Amino acid sequence: SQELEQSPQSLIVQEGKNLTINCTSSKTLYGLYWYKQKYGEGLIFLMMLQKGGEEKSHEKITAKLDEKKQQSSLHITASQPSHAGIYLCGAPSSGTYKYIFGTGTRLKVLA
Amino acid sequence: EADIYQTPRYLVIGTGKKITLECSQTMGHDKMYWYQQDPGMELHLIHYSYGVNSTEKGDLSSESTVSRIRTEHFPLTLESARPSHTSQYLCASSTNRGSYEQYFGPGTRLTVT
Repeated sequence: SQELEQSPQSLIVQEGKNLTINCTSSKTLYGLYWYKQKYGEGLIFLMMLQKGGEEKSHEKITAKLDEKKQQSSLHITASQPSHAGIYLCGAPSSGTYKYIFGTGTRLKVLA
Repeated sequence: EADIYQTPRYLVIGTGKKITLECSQTMGHDKMYWYQQDPGMELHLIHYSYGVNSTEKGDLSSESTVSRIRTEHFPLTLESARPSHTSQYLCASSTNRGSYEQYFGPGTRLTVT
């Protein structure tokens, strides 16, 4: 079965620093989705990547999908306390109606 | 902004009680999902539905059941709650058309004493 592995598991950065979160799939991806979750709440959809080599940006967050469509990265530039939370990558599981999520990365930004 | 609702937000209940967690969406999405989330962040799929009267169990074994009688409503029921059911339960929905992003409700934090 397909699995999504995220790294690092947790991250503490000083405000203003850049950071990168990685998501690696055990199989070729047919779409990769990034989500953010604040403590005790539901997930919020951030960005979707579908094509190999695709890159998307929204405000200070940039997501990329590699050419082989097995790895994605989420990069935050000049981090702020508002970026703190849990980041999860997700993808439809090939050939099923199921959806799988990565192991999660907990981000803390120190003011 | 997605419109998906879960009630209650928080529930503390004694062992052996029957409970139903409600989930509704107003977007007309065909697919709906229930996830259980550990404090360690991982989401585990426990049930999903790809339309009315179509439900399937997910990857995580669960003693809960679901129903999908109406497109907008996907309740989850625990016949006899146990302390091992203590967790965060998240409901989500997505469309059938092209993109597969999921829209999540705020979650129900369940504590079984």
